[in-house]
Amino acid sequence: QVQLVESGGGVVQPGRSLILSCAASGYTFSNYVMHWVRQAPGKGLEWVALISYDGSNKFYADSVKGRFTISRDNPKNTLFLQVNSLRPEDTAVYYCARGSGTSGWDPFDYWGQGTLVTVSS
Amino acid sequence: DIVMTQSPASLSVSPGETATLSCRASQSISTNLAWYQQKPGQAPRLLIYGASTRATGIPPRFSGSGSGTEFTLTISSLQSEDFAVYYCQQYNDWPPYTFGQGTKLEIK
Repeated sequence: QVQLVESGGGVVQPGRSLILSCAASGYTFSNYVMHWVRQAPGKGLEWVALISYDGSNKFYADSVKGRFTISRDNPKNTLFLQVNSLRPEDTAVYYCARGSGTSGWDPFDYWGQGTLVTVSS
Repeated sequence: DIVMTQSPASLSVSPGETATLSCRASQSISTNLAWYQQKPGQAPRLLIYGASTRATGIPPRFSGSGSGTEFTLTISSLQSEDFAVYYCQQYNDWPPYTFGQGTKLEIK
């Protein structure tokens, strides 16, 4: 069965960095688009970033462009999100999610359980 | 960016009854709309995609309809496990993908 397991969250001071990871299993990781989506405490869902199945194309929300970097290691079935210059408003649960196809014009059919990032001094 | 607006923000319905949730897009998204269910402390779960197609394992009491800018999620014969927050999402025009603000379905 498809499993996505995030890790790497924690408490970090403003301006610092983190690397979030998402380990995928149960399917051919390299065949699918992957996303990061975040949810601030008590708030709704905000899409953060997309990476194409082969890593050649990446897209970002304006709120994180220039600060966050999405990447993937297909042989290791792992998705990453490098988060730099963190701000208090980046505090959220970060989910990785699988796009259900290869094109991007697809819903998100599997989600991890999320990893909490808290930005606080 | 496409703005997704859900109504109502919260809805109280008795078990066994039908709940109707609405989602409006600020411009046409064809049928590139998904619905997700999220329970407290859990990740979202895909319910409906293509506006009306149930995802794998989703019971038939969940149905979606609509196209263009107006969409509806109907949950019939509500069961206790259906009380949750529901989000709509457009994947027609991206980036960014955008979600509605959510509708909280509560037990009456």
